[in-house]
Amino acid sequence: QSALTQPRSVSGSPGQSVTISCTGTSSDVGGYNYVSWYQQHPGKAPKLMIYDVSKRPSGVPDRFSGSKSGNTASLTISGLQAEDEADYYCCSYAGSFDVVFGGGTKLTVL
Amino acid sequence: QLQLQESGPGLVKPSETLSLTCTVSGGSISSSSYYWGWIRQPPGKGLEWIGSIYYSGSTYYNPSLKSRVTISVDTSKNQFSLKLSSVTAADTAVYYCARRSRFVDVWGQGTTVTVSS
Repeated sequence: QSALTQPRSVSGSPGQSVTISCTGTSSDVGGYNYVSWYQQHPGKAPKLMIYDVSKRPSGVPDRFSGSKSGNTASLTISGLQAEDEADYYCCSYAGSFDVVFGGGTKLTVL
Repeated sequence: QLQLQESGPGLVKPSETLSLTCTVSGGSISSSSYYWGWIRQPPGKGLEWIGSIYYSGSTYYNPSLKSRVTISVDTSKNQFSLKLSSVTAADTAVYYCARRSRFVDVWGQGTTVTVSS
């Protein structure tokens, strides 16, 4: 079981859009539509932003969207705001009741 | 509203066993819809899934930690616990307990465990 691959960092200016990729294998990301994304601010617990690839929990702005193609999932944040600056982690069900996280991506709002 | 709270020693000596408990409030740990799990985050690093347990006692562990991990549940106390044996400095991390189905929707606040003599 290997961690999912995410870029270490991405950046964008306020109002712009950024996309964070999350690459796995056919045993995790590609095999199930159970990809979730979490936002983590420093010193805080992660917060669920996207589940089941593209669904948003209540209270999450529609600026956050998710998608998947093959073994790669993506999180897109449009209309970047200063408060979006955080670490983002993807997570996928990996069979046998197991889950695997990505290595995390630091989003900087310029 | 469901809340999770981790408790346990913040300092553990190398080679000893790390023990943490998660207390669930505002809901029942015996819900058939969820698994209860542990996740850790070493300083400055990413999240790592440790393992999870169903209220019936069925457990699922990260293969990389399986030989050292035991997760148990006490439905009478609405708690579940983590034991990690033979710890080293590499086990120093913030440990989170969490509720998950297809995704983790409730997290504890996290507790810092340092492995040091």
